[in-house]
Parts: sequence; C-alpha cells; structure tokens
Amino acid sequence: DAKTTQPNSMESNEEEPVHLPCNHSTISGTDYIHWYRQLPSQGPEYVIHGLTSNVNNRMASLAIAEDRKSSTLILHRATLRDAAVYYCILSENYGQNFVFGPGTRLSVLP
Amino acid sequence: ETGVTQTPRHLVMGMTNKKSLKCEQHLGHNAMYWYKQSAKKPLELMFVYSLEERVENNSVPSRFSPECPNSSHLFLHLHTLQPEDSALYLCASSQDKGQGEQYFGPGTRLTVT
Repeated sequence: DAKTTQPNSMESNEEEPVHLPCNHSTISGTDYIHWYRQLPSQGPEYVIHGLTSNVNNRMASLAIAEDRKSSTLILHRATLRDAAVYYCILSENYGQNFVFGPGTRLSVLP
Repeated sequence: ETGVTQTPRHLVMGMTNKKSLKCEQHLGHNAMYWYKQSAKKPLELMFVYSLEERVENNSVPSRFSPECPNSSHLFLHLHTLQPEDSALYLCASSQDKGQGEQYFGPGTRLTVT
C-alpha cells in the first residue's frame, strides 16, 4: 500500500500558485519524497524529489515539514498544461519499491 | 520525448493470442521497469530489471513473462490473458535500480477481448 495520502482532487486558477499537500506520517529516516505527475494520455514524469531540505527546480518547489511527516509541492504559476494527476511517493531504501497511490487530480481553470 | 519508447501504442488481442510489448530506452540506464495502470487504480509495479537481471517480481501471474536481452531493451510477453488484464502498460528506466528519477514511456494501451 502507498504510504502517502493526498487529496483526490484540487482546482486552481491559471497563473496562480498551487500548493499540493501530501501526508506521510510513517516516513522513515531513509525515505526520499518524490513527486511525479501524469498528464492525460502520457506516462508519468518526474517533477522533484527531496530528503530533508526544501528543494527548487525549474518545474516546482518542494517544501518538507521539519518532522518530515508532510510535504507540499508548489507550482508557482499554474498553467493549463499543468493539469495532471500529481503523485507523492516515498521511496524506501534510497529509491527502491516505488508505490504509487491514487494521486491528486489538478484542474487548472482559465 | 523522454528517451523511452514503447511499441505498439495500442494492442487488441484475444484471450488465446500471444503477443509481446517492446520497450527501448536511449538513455544509457541500467535499470528498467514494467508497470500496469488499470482504469481507476494506481500504477502497479510488475517487474524490475537491473543490468539485465530480474530483481523484482511483484506477484505477477505467469501469463506475463518479461525478457531483458540487454540494458536498452525490455519485453513483456503475453499469453492467454484475461479481460481484466486490459490496462495501460508502462515501461520506465532509471540510471540504476533505486537511484535517480524514473523516465517513463508513453505506454501501450492493451485491450483483451
């Protein structure tokens, strides 16, 4: 079973920031937090990952709570192309055993 | 383009047919994966190969048979499938097993009639 819980769906307006939450209360010290997204009719694509510190890349930012029991994926300015299912995944043992949950379906309204 | 290609993109087969799905990665990665995505269900990891050796088999029925002839190619041989096997089959690769991000192909949409 997936070790993360996410809201089933969220809505955002175009060009506004989006904060996608993920709870992972049973996270262990060696678990990495990964985010992937799946656009319609495509395979999943990597978004970002982190261990303890907040992370930024060209796609998004990842904010990790101090106790690591939750994290938030931040899209700074949502576009229509960001409409997708976003998956928060814990990887055991430095990346093994990816277990995808149902994810959060993000809708972006023009 | 992710550097991972899958063929065919769509496949319809009867329950008595034998077919194969093909995956090729052009990224120089050492690990390759097969996932199954059924309607309204999360992705399920089926098989993991590292340096051409199968390292994980997540209780997948024997009617699915993977093959990894080299580090760039991965096949999924299908025989005597059931209608409930209809799904999107996704291939992915990563630099090494458990290391780095996974790059996914576009998937093969399989329908079993």
